[in-house]
Amino acid sequence: AQTVTQSQPEMSVQEAETVTLSCTYDTSESNYYLFWYKQPPSRQMILVIRQEAYKQQNATENRFSVNFQKAAKSFSLKISDSQLGDTAMYFCAFMILIQGAQKLVFGQGTRLTINP
Amino acid sequence: DTGVSQNPRHKITKRGQNVTFRCDPISEHNRLYWYRQTLGQGPEFLTYFQNEAQLEKSRLLSDRFSAERPKGSFSTLEIQRTEQGDSAMYLCASSSDFAGKQFFGPGTRLTVL
Repeated sequence: AQTVTQSQPEMSVQEAETVTLSCTYDTSESNYYLFWYKQPPSRQMILVIRQEAYKQQNATENRFSVNFQKAAKSFSLKISDSQLGDTAMYFCAFMILIQGAQKLVFGQGTRLTINP
Repeated sequence: DTGVSQNPRHKITKRGQNVTFRCDPISEHNRLYWYRQTLGQGPEFLTYFQNEAQLEKSRLLSDRFSAERPKGSFSTLEIQRTEQGDSAMYLCASSSDFAGKQFFGPGTRLTVL
């Protein structure tokens, strides 16, 4: 079975600081995608960034970047120059690439608060 | 641009009643997913449709749950004889292709009294 673990239930930083959220996963598959989703308070889930496991280069999206360590099965998210609007629950998720459902397996989330 | 929509946004019901939720995916997306999210947890997969075919169901989806996607457009999730343990946020997501990015709706929050 595939599992995703986020070991930091809550984090808090000051605006403009850099913060890193941790995620580890467990799978015997070699072909998969990893995702970070953001869920602001009372708002819907938004995709932040996606990483294909076959790519060695770490994905980046503006202020968001990942550190993908395939051998260690680690997938952390770095948020640079954090903004108040980054306050949200962040979920790490995993998807196996097989025919049929490409269902997402989520971690338990990290509640991130950006303080002014 | 219309994203994924879900109705109703909130539903309060008494134990034993039946409830039905609706999801309208992004129009060109042929893949539709249902997830359940309980308080403080990440979403858990319930079921998946490719067009009108239901291709996978989680063991979380007991026989009281049924989902349909007639004509491959909107989808409905029905829960019969609701129990207090069914209280959760029910999320719908859609995607356009194999391993495509999944776009989520705002969810339907169900409270069973």
